[in-house]
Amino acid sequence: DAKTTQPTSMDCAEGRAANLPCNHSTISGNEYVYWYRQIHSQGPQYIIHGLKNNETNEMASLIITEDRKSSTLILPHATLRDTAVYYCIVRSLQGAQKLVFGQGTRLTINP
Amino acid sequence: EAGVTQSPTHLIKTRGQQVTLRCSPISGHTSVYWYQQALGLGLQFLLWYDEGEERNRGNFPPRFSGRQFPNYSSELNVNALELEDSALYLCASSFRRRPYGYTFGSGTRLTVV
Repeated sequence: DAKTTQPTSMDCAEGRAANLPCNHSTISGNEYVYWYRQIHSQGPQYIIHGLKNNETNEMASLIITEDRKSSTLILPHATLRDTAVYYCIVRSLQGAQKLVFGQGTRLTINP
Repeated sequence: EAGVTQSPTHLIKTRGQQVTLRCSPISGHTSVYWYQQALGLGLQFLLWYDEGEERNRGNFPPRFSGRQFPNYSSELNVNALELEDSALYLCASSFRRRPYGYTFGSGTRLTVV
């Protein structure tokens, strides 16, 4: 079962920052937070991951709260091509190794 | 660097038939994961293979099976196809026990008629 809670849908204006929240209140100390996105009918695309520090790459920034119970994915300058379903996932490197996908957030970027 | 490749991209089968889907992981990746995504639904974990062994299995009937070869490529077999098996089947690969994310292929769209 997914261990994360995300809003079902969000809208954002093109060129603005898109901030996607995720709650993972039961996260364990050895679990990472991963973000993926899936553009219609394509394979999910890895965006970013983190353990406890904030992370940034060429695609996005990941802000993890100090208690690690929630995080926010930030797309700094959203474009129409960022319209997708965004999945927040917690995963341990122990045990089953699988990524468990929830329903995600359907982000729509409006022109 | 080549990504995860899956074949075929699309296929249509008749109920009761058998199908084999193939996946080639990124070079150096030892783990392969299979997921099923029925139309409009989420990704459901099917199988995880690592170093040639099945490591974990999702809540699917035994007619879903697979294997991983010495070169780490993998096959997913589905026997006695049912209409509800129509879905996008996604393969992903990763390094085992590393904090890197999976890399997914583009999937195989299976239609059962």
